[in-house]
Amino acid sequence: GQSLEQPSEVTAVEGAIVQINCTYQTSGFYGLSWYQQHDGGAPTFLSYNALDGLEETGRFSSFLSRSDSYGYLLLQELQMKDSASYFCAAHNDYKLSFGAGTTVTVRA
Amino acid sequence: SAVISQKPSRDICQRGTSLTIQCQVDSQVTMMFWYRQQPGQSLTLIATANQGSEATYESGFVIDKFPISRPNLTFSTLTVSNMSPEDSSIYLCSVQLRTGELFFGEGSRLTVL
Repeated sequence: GQSLEQPSEVTAVEGAIVQINCTYQTSGFYGLSWYQQHDGGAPTFLSYNALDGLEETGRFSSFLSRSDSYGYLLLQELQMKDSASYFCAAHNDYKLSFGAGTTVTVRA
Repeated sequence: SAVISQKPSRDICQRGTSLTIQCQVDSQVTMMFWYRQQPGQSLTLIATANQGSEATYESGFVIDKFPISRPNLTFSTLTVSNMSPEDSSIYLCSVQLRTGELFFGEGSRLTVL
């Protein structure tokens, strides 16, 4: 089966840096994605790592280590609008399996 | 990118009834995915809708409970049959681009009384 582990919640202040870790156990793995979901909204794509290493997209970066079955999402220069749930998702075969999600709360 | 229209956006249903959710995509896609998200929970894949063949269901989901249609490459429906309060959830339609990115519809929030 597929399983992904990520922290349930993180709280930080504006301007801070937050790292959300994700460990996975999945067969047929070929990549790790991250999604953001605001309350009442649909999940939206943030990043995708197919290869080991760091992918940077503006204030957000994502990292993957296949040998460790581990990845993380790094949120820099936190803003109030970054308060949301963040899901890691493992690509296997043709579909995605999602982690339980991490609720990030940004305080002023 | 992809634009996905899903309806109804929300509904309140009586126990024992069925509801069909529609999903329309602005481009042709091979596979469409139906997810369920219970309040405060993660996204769970219900099934993959393939055009021209039967849907592929994940463990714990069966066709009698969640029949799916896929008449063409831009449209799919999911029916939630014989609903109970445990079916109260958000149901999300999605498509995957070649880049691996998944686009979601806005979801259909169902409340079963």
